[in-house]
Amino acid sequence: DGGITQSPKYLFRKEGQNVTLSCEQNLNHDAMYWYRQDPGQGLRLIYYSQIVNDFQKGDIAEGYSVSREKKESFPLTVTSAQKNPTAFYLCASRQGGSGYTFGSGTRLTVV
Amino acid sequence: AQSVTQLGSHVSVSEGALVLLRCNYSSSVPPYLFWYVQYPNQGLQLLLKYTSAATLVKGINGFEAEFKKSETSFHLTKPSAHMSDAAEYFCAVTQGNNAGNMLTFGGGTRLMVKP
Repeated sequence: DGGITQSPKYLFRKEGQNVTLSCEQNLNHDAMYWYRQDPGQGLRLIYYSQIVNDFQKGDIAEGYSVSREKKESFPLTVTSAQKNPTAFYLCASRQGGSGYTFGSGTRLTVV
Repeated sequence: AQSVTQLGSHVSVSEGALVLLRCNYSSSVPPYLFWYVQYPNQGLQLLLKYTSAATLVKGINGFEAEFKKSETSFHLTKPSAHMSDAAEYFCAVTQGNNAGNMLTFGGGTRLMVKP
C-alpha cells in the first residue's frame, strides 16, 4: 500500500545533540512538508519542498534543516540550535488535486 | 492570503448527540477546504474535502460538512456521536489544487464524547 513512513516513532535527544527524523513516501508525490505540533498550538510549518533538490523555509525554520535528494525522501534534522525541540513532528506529502497525506508522526523528547 | 479559525478548542457532547465543529475561513480566491481527524499519537487522516463541486460534502465515519460562501464557513457535523469519535479535528484551507498550494490549518478542536 502507498503511504508515508516516519521513523522512529519515538526519539530522545540529549542537550546539544543533532538528531534526524526520517520521512519516506511511495506515493510519487511531488511536494513534501514538515510540521511541528505542540499542545494547543495546532500545526506549524517548518520546511517544505515542491521538487527534488529544492526546499523552502516555513514559519518556524530556525534550528532545523532538511534535504531533498530523492523524490521519496525528505529527512528533517533538529539541530542543537533548536532550543525547545520537544514536540510531535509530522511529515506530509501532496500531489495536485488532493489534500495532504500524513505520516504517523515522530515524538521527540529532550532528556 | 488564507486563514482558518476553529471556534472552540474543546467540544464535549454526549454519546448519540449531534456533533457540530465550527470552521470559518478567509481566502482571497475560491477556496478548497478540508477536515482532518487526529487520534492520539497518530498522524492526520482526511475526513472530507470541498473542491468547488457540491456544497454538501460527505466524508468517512458519518461526518459531513457544508460549504457556505456567504458565511465563509465549513462546519463539520455528525448526527449521532459515537465514543470512537473522540479525537482532535482540524479544518484546513488552500487556494488552489496544485501541489504547490499549501494548506493552512486551524488550531484544532478536541472532541470529547461522554457516555
